[in-house]
Amino acid sequence: TQLLEQSPQFLSIQEGENLTVYCNSSSVFSSLQWYRQEPGEGPVLLVTVVTGGEVKKLKRLTFQFGDARKDSSLHITAAQPGDTGLYLCAGAGAGGTSYGKLTFGQGTILTVHP
Amino acid sequence: EAGVAQSPRYKIIEKRQSVAFWCNPISGHATLYWYQQILGQGPKLLIQFQNNGVVDDSQLPKDRFSAERLKGVDSTLKIQPAKLEDSAVYLCASSRGTSGGPEETQYFGPGTRLLVL
Repeated sequence: TQLLEQSPQFLSIQEGENLTVYCNSSSVFSSLQWYRQEPGEGPVLLVTVVTGGEVKKLKRLTFQFGDARKDSSLHITAAQPGDTGLYLCAGAGAGGTSYGKLTFGQGTILTVHP
Repeated sequence: EAGVAQSPRYKIIEKRQSVAFWCNPISGHATLYWYQQILGQGPKLLIQFQNNGVVDDSQLPKDRFSAERLKGVDSTLKIQPAKLEDSAVYLCASSRGTSGGPEETQYFGPGTRLLVL
């Protein structure tokens, strides 16, 4: 069974601060996805990283996939109240019966105070 | 393009009762997924359909859960009988292609919030 551990589980910061969310596993994934989920809604895909060591930037969000494709991080610069939400990482299985199947982390609840 | 539609949005039932959820995926999407999201956890895949065939139902508690996707479009997920631990959000997602692989973007519906008393 593939597991993804996200940390921290809760993050409460002031507007303008920077933050990093981590997603770690002992398993290798073919790709790693990050989602954002708002209350009462389903998760919305932010980015997919595929190559070990890959870095992707989406405005103030920077995503990194570990060299060994076992871990990832999400860094937000100058957080805004609109960034508030549940951030989920999800790894796609690399082979065998888990190929393509998404395993989600437990999520990080981010609250950005004005 | 309309998103994934789910109904009902909320459901409260007593344990041992039955309940059914409905999902209408994005038009033309071949792959449909049902996830269970318990409070404080990430979504867990229950079942994956490709058109009207089951691709993966390894984590579906088949003694009480069932799902079907007639004609490869809409899908229903049923729980009979419900237990307290079934309280969760049930998310439906769809993706365009037939591979169902990691390169396929999954689009999620708003979910159905189930409370079992």
